[in-house]
Order: sequence, then structure tokens, then C-alpha cells
Amino acid sequence: EAGVTQFPSHSVIEKGQTVTLRCDPISGHDNLYWYRRVMGKEIKFLLHFVKESKQDESGMPNNRFLAERTGGTYSTLKVQPAELEDSGVYFCASSTTQGGGGVNEQFFGPGTRLTVL
Amino acid sequence: AQSVTQLGSHVSVSEGALVLLRCNYSSSVPPYLFWYVQYPNQGLQLLLKYTSAATLVKGINGFEAEFKKSETSFHLTKPSAHMSDAAEYFCAVRAPGTASKLTFGTGTRLQVTL
Repeated sequence: EAGVTQFPSHSVIEKGQTVTLRCDPISGHDNLYWYRRVMGKEIKFLLHFVKESKQDESGMPNNRFLAERTGGTYSTLKVQPAELEDSGVYFCASSTTQGGGGVNEQFFGPGTRLTVL
Repeated sequence: AQSVTQLGSHVSVSEGALVLLRCNYSSSVPPYLFWYVQYPNQGLQLLLKYTSAATLVKGINGFEAEFKKSETSFHLTKPSAHMSDAAEYFCAVRAPGTASKLTFGTGTRLQVTL
């Protein structure tokens, strides 16, 4: 079974440009999460989809970030226009939805390293 | 609200020595606690988790962690380090019973020397 995949693995863009990151979760996982790690800091939550709906977007830094999950499968995270402080590693994770308060392990992708010059 | 503190951004041990990576948490509700490991160029992999059952949790690759409520700690240990353990380790906390977000610490990079 394929794990969580992310594309691209690296992206280098100039300030003011637009970048779109893609995440393909494990098949059948309804929950999809985006996280970001700025260099030297902790991994921070950005948002959480349940199927195609945004369950929690409290971690989105500002309105330059737009996440979508049309059809409840893959997700995209667009940054427009990119700023220097957006540089970092963007992780995607997915999990199942279990009944009875299950732990719902989150499976992570390898991340996309974004560099804004 | 929840938070995690990992003491020591870098830890170096000799091969065969004890590994101890520290994690303290803050949570307004009884938490679920996790340790993840990231090897170079890979995603985060779950090492072990505490979900309010046994306080001593065993994970993969010989790692274990003990939940100590009185100390609000969840330190990760391994009796004997191996070169292949060199990686970055992250402690994380989550509210129980939901598919909610993880709150991570800043990570500890483990170096294993000969």
C-alpha cells in the first residue's frame, strides 16, 4: 500500500511568485492534515480536512495560503504571493476515521521543502 | 491548550550507550502523547504512543517511553544506541478521542558516534 506522497519534493521560487504544493493521502483516509516546519522551529499545524471539508484551519498563517481538497482525495496548498517567511518544510499527513474514540495514527509524507528567495 | 517542550536540540551518544531524549508536556485534558522519528529525506514515522493505557509504552526499534503524570513528562529511552538510530526525534501531544491536530516539540537531533 502506498504511503502519503507529496509533490514536489523541493521548490525554489522568488518572493511574489505563486507555488502550489500537492498531497496524496493514503487511499481511504478521510482525514488530511497540513503542517509546516520553519527552520529550527517546531512543526506547526496548518489545517485539517475531513473529506473535502475544512474541519480546523486555525493554523493557517494568513490569507495568502489557500488549501483545497476537491472530491475528498488529494489536497493542494497554494501560497500566493509567496514571502520570505514562508520558507520551510511543508508536511502532509493522513489518518482514518475510527469509531469509539480510536487513536487515528497520522501517517506523514516526506514533505516539500519550499525556499522563497 | 497544549504544548510540548523538548530539552536539548542536539544529543550525542556513543554506540551502545543509553539514549535519553526528554519531553515535557502541558495539557488541559489528559493527553495522548507520541514520539515520531524522521530519518534523512523521509517523512515522520511513529515510534510509539501513549493513549491512557499502560504508562510504560514500548515502540519500534527498541525504544520505549514512560508517561509520568506527576512530572508531566514522556521521555524516550533506548538501552543501547545503534548507528542507525541517528535521526531527528519529535515529541507530540494531542487531545484524546478525536482526530485532532498534533502539537509538536522543536525536535531533538540524535547523533550516534563510534
